[in-house]
Amino acid sequence: DIQMTQSPSSVSASVGDRVTITCRASQGISSWLAWYQQKPGKAPKLLIYVASSLQSGVPSRFSGSGSGTDFTLTISSLQPEDFATYYCQQANSFPLTFGGGTKVEIK
Amino acid sequence: EVQLVESGGGLVEPGGSLRLSCEVSGFTFSSHEINWVRQAPGKGLEWVSYISTSGYTIHYADSVKGRFTVSRDNAKNSLYLQMNSLRAEDTAVYYCATYSGSYGQHDYWGQGTLVTVSS
Repeated sequence: DIQMTQSPSSVSASVGDRVTITCRASQGISSWLAWYQQKPGKAPKLLIYVASSLQSGVPSRFSGSGSGTDFTLTISSLQPEDFATYYCQQANSFPLTFGGGTKVEIK
Repeated sequence: EVQLVESGGGLVEPGGSLRLSCEVSGFTFSSHEINWVRQAPGKGLEWVSYISTSGYTIHYADSVKGRFTVSRDNAKNSLYLQMNSLRAEDTAVYYCATYSGSYGQHDYWGQGTLVTVSS
């Protein structure tokens, strides 16, 4: 199974800050990576797919990059509605696996 | 509007069974691969199962293999998860989500249904 490791597990940031979250796969997954945002009590929401493609309707302050084993999700200017938990997910092979999550908290 | 609505969750004793349903509307159900994904209280996301558009290709997480069975009825726009021999560690919110095998992402999610396994 491919293990997905996210870091940091939590980050405190202020509105307007640039936030970067990393996700590392235990083996190469090409660009088969998606990012999700989840708010408390809600279902996850797709942000990015195939590592860097922005899902329709998602603000352009979100961006993804990387390939192989190392990936990043960047929020260029944090907004109040962005405080949430973020997950990466590999789609290279079954079983699909998610990272452990990164909680973005208000500083 | 795309909608996925899960139902069938509840409290069940260890060793018991439950059948979850996921009813969809707003898109052509038969054209979409579907996954079940679960989330234990306060924990992260865990993929549970995959079913292809036809229902002929199915995958399970090792943690549920042999105990859970996924199926779909394209005529009823519905997906099912039969869960047997339930354990405390199966306690979670269960989500159904459309899956794009071409790009590997979960596009649309239901609101989830809570399964609690406890005596």
